[in-house]
Amino acid sequence: DTGVSQDPRHKITKRGQNVTFRCDPISEHNRLYWYRQTLGQGPEFLTYFQNEAQLEKSRLLSDRFSAERPKGSFSTLEIQRTEQGDSAMYLCASSLYPGLTNQPQHFGDGTRLSIL
Amino acid sequence: QQQVKQSPQSLIVQKGGISIINCAYENTAFDYFPWYQQFPGKGPALLIAIRPDVSEKKEGRFTISFNKSAKQFSLHIMDSQPGDSATYFCAATYSGYSTLTFGKGTMLLVSP
Repeated sequence: DTGVSQDPRHKITKRGQNVTFRCDPISEHNRLYWYRQTLGQGPEFLTYFQNEAQLEKSRLLSDRFSAERPKGSFSTLEIQRTEQGDSAMYLCASSLYPGLTNQPQHFGDGTRLSIL
Repeated sequence: QQQVKQSPQSLIVQKGGISIINCAYENTAFDYFPWYQQFPGKGPALLIAIRPDVSEKKEGRFTISFNKSAKQFSLHIMDSQPGDSATYFCAATYSGYSTLTFGKGTMLLVSP
């Protein structure tokens, strides 16, 4: 179990540029989640996948944001035309399918995005 | 609408003391309540979780107390150590759903 891996760990970009983050979940986990965390706040849900299907998107996920999980393995989160307000830590988590109960979500160490 | 309210925002405890962090929730459908610990530059790590069919759960020095009628739950850290200094988040979700709703966090400092 190598844990959830995120790349890059830090990204600095100019306003208006596009950025893409990658998440590699724990190998046997079929659920994958993206959260955003700003300074002094708890993580906020963005979207999640069951295998390759994107099942839910938060209202926080504007049309500048897009996420994919091809083949149900790794996932990418892209932000187009970045804005100052996009500066945050982007966290990825994975879990087994919860079914009727809940499975613990395991988080990666995040990608910290800074918009200049 | 903040569905999970966490207090205090920050906490200073002496080594060996008891740290207590409280959370209150609004959504009565919530039935799974995990606590996460986060160190600077790291992602949240699951500490302990509880379901409302029990009033208390203990794992090592960490205990969750749950009061279903008051819609409150708390984390107790016994014999607090400097290595426990971190930010703690309570969270909630419900069966059949999976996304977590987090509190705003409590920054704990355990003084030597």
